[in-house]
Amino acid sequence: GAVVSQHPSWVICKSGTSVKIECRSLDFQATTMFWYRQFPKQSLMLMATSNEGSKATYEQGVEKDKFLINHASLTLSTLTVTSAHPEDSSFYICSAWDSTLDTQYFGPGTRLTVL
Amino acid sequence: ELKVEQNPLFLSMQEGKNYTIYCNYSTTSDRLYWYRQDPGKSLESLFVLLSNGAVKQEGRLMASLDTKARLSTLHITAAVHDLSATYFCAVDMEYGNKLVFGAGTILRVKS
Repeated sequence: GAVVSQHPSWVICKSGTSVKIECRSLDFQATTMFWYRQFPKQSLMLMATSNEGSKATYEQGVEKDKFLINHASLTLSTLTVTSAHPEDSSFYICSAWDSTLDTQYFGPGTRLTVL
Repeated sequence: ELKVEQNPLFLSMQEGKNYTIYCNYSTTSDRLYWYRQDPGKSLESLFVLLSNGAVKQEGRLMASLDTKARLSTLHITAAVHDLSATYFCAVDMEYGNKLVFGAGTILRVKS
């Protein structure tokens, strides 16, 4: 079946540094990918929609200058958390929309801890 | 604004028992998804329900969709410990687009 990968699976960084997370669709092309954030024991909250070749669409309350999204190819989207702070610590999950199967596949997630 | 409500939020049940998780949503949508999440893991797709009256079954889990009532159910039959996880329903805001998730139901099956 379709597989979506994320890298890294976990990262620890110091406050003030930037962290890049990659999301790849491994066996299908995804013009649309999504980035979610999940705090402990909570549901997934959509952060932004990443569209290949165009600017990402951010949900209300999500700072686009802090969470930079790039979708440079049909199989890769990146999320960069700039000037990370401890409150950015969370589980970040990407997903990719497979239009041929009408379904969304989720990556394994990236656990970010900001010290 | 689309809202998705799940209940119960926490469910503790004995092995062998049956139970149902409910998912209500506030606006029209024809696409509803059920996912399973194990601790520290991402989401595993369980069911995609695409039309009114849709019913899908996989093992001890069965999902149904009533678009008129804006209600989906996830029924657990003869629960086993391996079913312990968090279950989310999610509804499409737009075709092929954003998903709005319910709060999740934490299921604990006791031996």
